[in-house]
Amino acid sequence: EVQLVESGGGLVQPGGSLRLSCAASGFTFSSYEMNWVRQAPGKGLEWVSYISSSGSTIYYADSVKGRFTISRDNAKNSLYLQMNSLRAEDTAVYYCARVGLVRGEGDYWGQGTLVTVSS
Amino acid sequence: SYVLTQPPSVSVAPGQTARITCGGNNIGSKSVHWYQQKPGQAPVLVVYDDSDRPSGIPERFSGSNSGNTATLTISRVEAGDEADYYCQVWDSSSDHRGWVFGGGTKLTVL
Repeated sequence: EVQLVESGGGLVQPGGSLRLSCAASGFTFSSYEMNWVRQAPGKGLEWVSYISSSGSTIYYADSVKGRFTISRDNAKNSLYLQMNSLRAEDTAVYYCARVGLVRGEGDYWGQGTLVTVSS
Repeated sequence: SYVLTQPPSVSVAPGQTARITCGGNNIGSKSVHWYQQKPGQAPVLVVYDDSDRPSGIPERFSGSNSGNTATLTISRVEAGDEADYYCQVWDSSSDHRGWVFGGGTKLTVL
């Protein structure tokens, strides 16, 4: 069974840092591209970042470029999101999502981890 | 960057058909995916590549895509279908690469 389990969320002050993790199981993690997607309270889904299966290709949303860093460790079946210079507008539930092999669909999602940026 | 436009809300009576649209410039040339999200839960893929269904998704869920509009159709709507629905494409334009989501549509079952 495919499972994605996020962790690392919490309360952080503006300007602070946080590292999110996504533990993958039930599939060959190294064969799949991955994304981070976030959802602010009461708002819609917002794509955050993409990483290829090998980690060689990475993209970011303009809203996080220069502040967030996506990475992966295929040996540990894990995806990461290092978040620096956090702002109040980064407050959201952060989901990791697997990219399916058909046409780039998000075929499996984790349950999400809440990040709250507040003083 | 590419923009997807969805109606904020759609209402339908049980047993009727709900249609949720997703507008985008020449969206018919892209592969569109649809997600269902219930309160407090993660999104679930219900239609991918315009019209295919993942295993476990009822046949009542179908999709189409042509011109500037993609549509998610839910036939014989049930109370359990009440949720937010999001369309999504992969944007590969020169100034932006990544997933793009529509603003979401809240489906209310009357």
